[in-house]
Amino acid sequence: SQQGEEDPQALSIQEGENATMNCSYKTSINNLQWYRQNSGRGLVHLILIRSNEREKHSGRLRVTLDTSKKSSSLLITASRAADTASYFCATGPSGGYNKLIFGAGTRLAVHP
Amino acid sequence: EAGVTQFPSHSVIEKGQTVTLRCDPISGHDNLYWYRRVMGKEIKFLLHFVKESKQDESGMPNNRFLAERTGGTYSTLKVQPAELEDSGVYFCASSQDLGGGIGVNEQFFGPGTRLTVL
Repeated sequence: SQQGEEDPQALSIQEGENATMNCSYKTSINNLQWYRQNSGRGLVHLILIRSNEREKHSGRLRVTLDTSKKSSSLLITASRAADTASYFCATGPSGGYNKLIFGAGTRLAVHP
Repeated sequence: EAGVTQFPSHSVIEKGQTVTLRCDPISGHDNLYWYRRVMGKEIKFLLHFVKESKQDESGMPNNRFLAERTGGTYSTLKVQPAELEDSGVYFCASSQDLGGGIGVNEQFFGPGTRLTVL
């Protein structure tokens, strides 16, 4: 199976705290992407990191990628209640394939 | 710019019936993908179109599923006959063609169609 795995499965924090979610995968990748899904809505693309990159920032988001450990982390700093959502990592396999392979997701709850 | 749209947003049908889902990608996006999430499991890839051609249909579960993209614009995904295990959320996504043959590209997802088979 090429499925990625996120941990934790669920995370509950207070507003202002940082949230860290991890993702592991099994195969060689071309890139890794993080998505957010608010309840009942579509997937929103957050950030893409290529296999030759180690860290990337976008606003309050920081993503790291360790290809030797086949893992990535998503850090959300100074969390807000509006960050409450499910977060998914998705890997783009190497070898010329465009399909994304998703993990099971982390449910983040940020309490005011 | 309009995003990826999907129709219907919800569909409830009985086992054995036929359902057709529609996806309109972002204008100008050659790449169109179908994914689904069933029974709270992972979101899984179904297939990938480049314009009107099926580039990769390795994720299609069986021959009850038929995807088309005539003219390379919108796509339909037909399930015939529907089974209970087909219940879930079907997502469509699209991305630009960056050239070079290998996609390192952001996929824009639609809101999904929630399919319930009774």
